[in-house]
Amino acid sequence: AQKITQTQPGMFVQEKEAVTLDCTYDTSDQSYGLFWYKQPSSGEMIFLIYQGSYDEQNATEGRYSLNFQKARKSANLVISASQLGDSAMYFCAMRYSGAGSYQLTFGKGTKLSVIP
Amino acid sequence: SAVISQKPSRDICQRGTSLTIQCQVDSQVTMMFWYRQQPGQSLTLIATANQGSEATYESGFVIDKFPISRPNLTFSTLTVSNMSPEDSSIYLCSVVGDGYEQYFGPGTRLTVT
Repeated sequence: AQKITQTQPGMFVQEKEAVTLDCTYDTSDQSYGLFWYKQPSSGEMIFLIYQGSYDEQNATEGRYSLNFQKARKSANLVISASQLGDSAMYFCAMRYSGAGSYQLTFGKGTKLSVIP
Repeated sequence: SAVISQKPSRDICQRGTSLTIQCQVDSQVTMMFWYRQQPGQSLTLIATANQGSEATYESGFVIDKFPISRPNLTFSTLTVSNMSPEDSSIYLCSVVGDGYEQYFGPGTRLTVT
């Protein structure tokens, strides 16, 4: 079974500063993918970034980067130069990469508040 | 990326009634998924909607309570039947993109009174 742990229920960051949101995972699968989603108060789930378990480079998408440490089973999200619009819930999720398997397992989320 | 729309965006319903939520995708996709997010909680997969066959339900979810239709490769509906206040949640439709990406619709915010 897969499990995602996000230990920070809430985080505060000053505008323009960088922030790291923690995510650890547990799986016995060798091939899997890790995702981060942003959920503003409107409720939509916005895909941010993806890291495959065999990817050697850390994924980056604009101001988002994923600090992937496979041996430690961690996949932390780093947001650089925080903006007020970054205030939202952030969910880490994983999915087995085997054929026919598409179920995402989510963590409980971290609420990020950006302070002006 | 896939563009997903859902109807309605929100609704307030009386207990004992049913609500059908629609999900439309702008491209053909093989698999569509329905997730539930109860207040203050994370997302839980309800079922996988396959075109041309019955939906596959996750543990704890049954077809009588959450019937799903998938008439074609761009559309699906989820019905929440005989609603109770415990069904108050955000219901989200999701699809897998061409590669690894998995996208979500804007969600339907349901309140049952």
